[in-house]
Amino acid sequence: QKEVEQNSGPLSVPEGAIASLNCTYSDRGSQSFFWYRQYSGKSPELIMSIYSNGDKEDGRFTAQLNKASQYVSLLIRDSQPSDSATYLCAALNAGKSTFGDGTTLTVKP
Amino acid sequence: DTEVTQTPKHLVMGMTNKKSLKCEQHMGHRAMYWYKQKAKKPPELMFVYSYEKLSINESVPSRFSPECPNSSLLNLHLHALQPEDSALYLCASSQRVGSGSPLHFGNGTRLTVT
Repeated sequence: QKEVEQNSGPLSVPEGAIASLNCTYSDRGSQSFFWYRQYSGKSPELIMSIYSNGDKEDGRFTAQLNKASQYVSLLIRDSQPSDSATYLCAALNAGKSTFGDGTTLTVKP
Repeated sequence: DTEVTQTPKHLVMGMTNKKSLKCEQHMGHRAMYWYKQKAKKPPELMFVYSYEKLSINESVPSRFSPECPNSSLLNLHLHALQPEDSALYLCASSQRVGSGSPLHFGNGTRLTVT
């Protein structure tokens, strides 16, 4: 079992729809969780961090964390073509960030 | 503009060459990282420096040699690489190891070993 698993892609949504990205982790020692966006040929950039159970909203993005279920999700509302990228879920424990394989999102105009 | 600067952006080297990748950050971060990323794969941790000292080495082959001259600089010295080492090499920094803070990535160096 991978330490961090993301829902298999690719994911395609129409412009204006909600994109839902999911992630599970196996290490209960992980306390910090991040979503990074990576455009093709570019480096990852942080879009959301979440540390406690519940929801965290930032503009069109909402991250959700459920430590009991070891589950992290990212919702992107009003998806735009510019959101088309690979989204990486990461869990941080003891100074090491472990990444999922990523979910590639395509938003179609 | 990224606050973590990596040079060079692209590097082509032969298997007998010696080259170095450089990384610089001016965010006052005390943790710096090297990651390797192959196409369509997630970043893979290589090394972690905490307060200029090597704290994690993920069993990386000795042909990769990291160096942290000061709190702002991180180098990766390359020697006798193999074609399978061709990848995007990412430098990152964070406030402190174990602080729960996210990674700030540089733009990466795309390395091709011929």
